[in-house]
Amino acid sequence: GNSVTQMEGPVTLSEEAFLTINCTYTATGYPSLFWYVQYPGEGLQLLLKATKADDKGSNKGFEATYRKETTSFHLEKGSVQVSDSAVYFCALSYSGNTPLVFGKGTRLSVIA
Amino acid sequence: EAQVTQNPRYLITVTGKKLTVTCSQNMNHEYMSWYRQDPGLGLRQIYYSMNVEVTDKGDVPEGYKVSRKEKRNFPLILESPSPNQTSLYFCASSSTPGQGVETQYFGPGTRLLVL
Repeated sequence: GNSVTQMEGPVTLSEEAFLTINCTYTATGYPSLFWYVQYPGEGLQLLLKATKADDKGSNKGFEATYRKETTSFHLEKGSVQVSDSAVYFCALSYSGNTPLVFGKGTRLSVIA
Repeated sequence: EAQVTQNPRYLITVTGKKLTVTCSQNMNHEYMSWYRQDPGLGLRQIYYSMNVEVTDKGDVPEGYKVSRKEKRNFPLILESPSPNQTSLYFCASSSTPGQGVETQYFGPGTRLLVL
């Protein structure tokens, strides 16, 4: 079946450090890929998405590129801020409102 | 403001006492879904609904019921809650597919403790 694997957390970084959170997936065909973010005490919000191979999703300084050859969708940000502290979820889905398949989440803590 | 609302936000109950968590969206979305979030397990889908009167099981439906009598509402029912249903629950909604995969909008979550 379809699955998403994320790097284990927690990840602790200093402000302005470079961030990478790895995400790989197992799926048939061509799913769409997503990163969702969950800030403390809140629900999930879509951070970015990519719907086909080689697409790059970007938002709020974060970006991720859909790599079909490596089945990956790693999240990156060049300079993190304390306000980026949250749990990040990688997910996949197919068109037709099929259920999102989530990774287990990676907690990021950014310290000043 | 487009949003998904859930009530209650926090609930403490005892084993066997029926409860309902409500979910409502104001975006006229066809698709609605319930997830539970547990440490180390991420989010797992409980039930989903493609439209009014159409519901289907997700990955972990045991012990839960849902109904979709109106487009905007999708309540989650625990007929006889047990401690292993202690979790954080999220409702989500999205529109029917258009040009591509639609974004799901999540509610703020309901934290349930079953004693």
